[in-house]
Amino acid sequence: GESVGLHLPTLSVQEGDNSIINCAYSNSASDYFIWYKQESGKGPQFIIDIRSNMDKRQGQRVTVLLNKTVKHLSLQIAATQPGDSAVYFCAETGGTSYGKLTFGQGTILTVHP
Amino acid sequence: GAGVSQSPSNKVTEKGKDVELRCDPISGHTALYWYRQSLGQGLEFLIYFQGNSAPDKSGLPSDRFSAERTGGSVSTLTIQRTQQEDSAVYLCASSPLQGPSGNTIYFGEGSWLTVV
Repeated sequence: GESVGLHLPTLSVQEGDNSIINCAYSNSASDYFIWYKQESGKGPQFIIDIRSNMDKRQGQRVTVLLNKTVKHLSLQIAATQPGDSAVYFCAETGGTSYGKLTFGQGTILTVHP
Repeated sequence: GAGVSQSPSNKVTEKGKDVELRCDPISGHTALYWYRQSLGQGLEFLIYFQGNSAPDKSGLPSDRFSAERTGGSVSTLTIQRTQQEDSAVYLCASSPLQGPSGNTIYFGEGSWLTVV
C-alpha cells in the first residue's frame, strides 16, 4: 500500500552542526507534506509544511526540500541545538481528505552539546 | 485555551472496561481528527470530522471504537471493552480548513491510555 518512510531511524549530531532528515513517500497523488517534531511525552508539534507546487520552503532555522521526481522530502535544521533533540516525523496527504495524514515511522535526532 | 485540549491526560483502565477520551479543538477550527500512536511508532489515523459532513471512519480498528462530535466542536472517542492492545497515546488534532494555512493540522498533547 501507499506509505511514507524514513531512510534513517536515528541521527546524532554535535551542537552547531546542520542536520538533514530524509523521508521517502510513495503516493504520487500526495500534494501536501508536513514535518512534525515530537518531544518525549508530548504531542507532535508542527514545524513546516510544503505543497507540491513548490520545491523549497524556508522557516526559522529550518528548510524543507521536496523532490517530486524521486518522491523525496527532507528537513534541514541549521545550527542544531540541544533543544532540537526529538523524534521528527514527515507526513503526507492529498486529495479531498486533508486530515488523513500518512506518517513515517520517525527519525530520532540527538544533539550533543 | 489556545491549543487543542485533551482529557484525561492519563488513563489506566482494566481490561474489558469502557473508556471515553475528550477533545476540545482550537476555537473556529472546522476539522477534527483522532490519531493513535503506539509506543515508539508513528501515528495511525482513526477518524476525521469535517464540518457537518459524515465523518471518515475508515481508520477505526474495530467496532469497539466510536467517536462523535457534538455541535461541531468537542469530540469524544469511546473505546468499549478495552483490550491490552488498545494501550497507546490517543492524539486529537484540528485544522481551520480555511485561509492560507487552512490545511495545517495542530495536535493536542494526547491521552495516554494503559489497559491492564
